[in-house]
Amino acid sequence: NAGVTQTPKFRILKIGQSMTLQCTQDMNHNYMYWYRQDPGMGLKLIYYSVGAGITDKGEVPNGYNVSRSTTEDFPLRLELAAPSQTSVYFCASRDRSNEQFFGPGTRLTVL
Amino acid sequence: GQNIDQPTEMTATEGAIVQINCTYQTSGFNGLFWYQQHAGEAPTFLSYNVLDGLEEKGRFSSFLSRSKGYSYLLLKELQMKDSASYLCAVLDNYGQNFVFGPGTRLSVLP
Repeated sequence: NAGVTQTPKFRILKIGQSMTLQCTQDMNHNYMYWYRQDPGMGLKLIYYSVGAGITDKGEVPNGYNVSRSTTEDFPLRLELAAPSQTSVYFCASRDRSNEQFFGPGTRLTVL
Repeated sequence: GQNIDQPTEMTATEGAIVQINCTYQTSGFNGLFWYQQHAGEAPTFLSYNVLDGLEEKGRFSSFLSRSKGYSYLLLKELQMKDSASYLCAVLDNYGQNFVFGPGTRLSVLP
């Protein structure tokens, strides 16, 4: 099992550009999450999904969108990037014992 | 509202024992989790408490008191590789969302 994979690992965007952060898991987990982590801080939930076709907002959803067309994939879309979106983004899936498995993260800088 | 507090930084000596505290005030509760995160890496799962009491897992133990909204992570026989951030998280009442604390950065000194 590859677990949770994320692409890209690093990205620099200009203000106003858009991009999609990819997340894939091969563990057949229903629950998936997107978090952002600012330097020296904890994780803040952006969006989550309880299964294919179902998504919901977390604590900080503004400026982001998600979709969940399959169990495996949970992409995060940034529209009109802003410097405040400079952060490290982690995708995670969760198993039946409530343990979360995190991807390696995407480091995004918006200039 | 949701609020989770942890000390920002702690320092301890190799071979010693350290206790990292976490207090929480959340609108619901379905379990408390501890994660370890080395600098520049993703968090990894350490422990999960849903009932009051102590859960032991090798050198790591975690305690929960639901009535006090309090948990701690106990690390014994500290090793240099234990230098990392430790994140406390609560699973909400609906069992869907996790709320994370700010994390405690632990430095283990020789």
